[in-house]
Amino acid sequence: AQSVTQPDIHITVSEGASLELRCNYSYGATPYLFWYVQSPGQGLQLLLKYFSGDTLVQGIKGFEAEFKRSQSSFNLRKPSVHWSDAAEYFCAVGAGSSNTGKLIFGQGTTLQVKP
Amino acid sequence: EADIYQTPRYLVIGTGKKITLECSQTMGHDKMYWYQQDPGMELHLIHYSYGVNSTEKGDLSSESTVSRIRTEHFPLTLESARPSHTSQYLCASSGLGELFFGEGSRLTVL
Repeated sequence: AQSVTQPDIHITVSEGASLELRCNYSYGATPYLFWYVQSPGQGLQLLLKYFSGDTLVQGIKGFEAEFKRSQSSFNLRKPSVHWSDAAEYFCAVGAGSSNTGKLIFGQGTTLQVKP
Repeated sequence: EADIYQTPRYLVIGTGKKITLECSQTMGHDKMYWYQQDPGMELHLIHYSYGVNSTEKGDLSSESTVSRIRTEHFPLTLESARPSHTSQYLCASSGLGELFFGEGSRLTVL
C-alpha cells in the first residue's frame, strides 16, 4: 500500500539558515511526488512536483527537492529560510499523472522560523 | 492564483442538523475532490468526481455524500451532523498535473 512518512513533526530554524524537510514514501511503481505548503487558515499551495526526468526539481519561493529512488525519499530544501516560510508542509504521492488529485499525504511538518 | 471557492469558511452547528459545504471552481476542471483534515494530521481523500454525474468514495470512509450536477460545482452534504464530523474539509480540483485547493471549511459540531 502507498504511504508517506514525514519523520519530523515540528522543526524550528533561524531566519537565514538552511532548511531540509524529510519525506519517505512507499510505492510499488514510479511515484509521482509533490510538496505542498499550508499557511494557517488557508488551503494548500503546490510548491513543486516530480513526475520524471531530472531528479532535482525546482519549485516556487526558492524551494527545491531531490528524488532519490534508492532511498525512497523526496526531501525538500531551501538554502535560506525567510520568516514568511513558517507554515505546515505536506509531502504527497500520487498514482500517476492521470490521478494527480488522488494523493496520499504525509502527516505534515510544522516549520517555525526564529528571528 | 487558484479559482476555487468554499463556503462557509467556518461553521458551528448542533448535533443532528443537516449541512451542506459548497465548493465551486471556475477553471473548467473535470476532476474535483474532497479531502478531510483533522488538526495536526494528514489529509484523507473522502470523495472525488471525474465529471458531471460521476462521484466515487475515497480512501477514508465518510458519512457525507456529494453530488456533481454541474462541472463547476461539487457540494458535500451531511444529513445529520455529529461531533465526530468536526474537522476541516478541503475541496480541490485538478488540471495540468496540479491539484488546486480551496481555503477549506472548518466544521464544528457541538
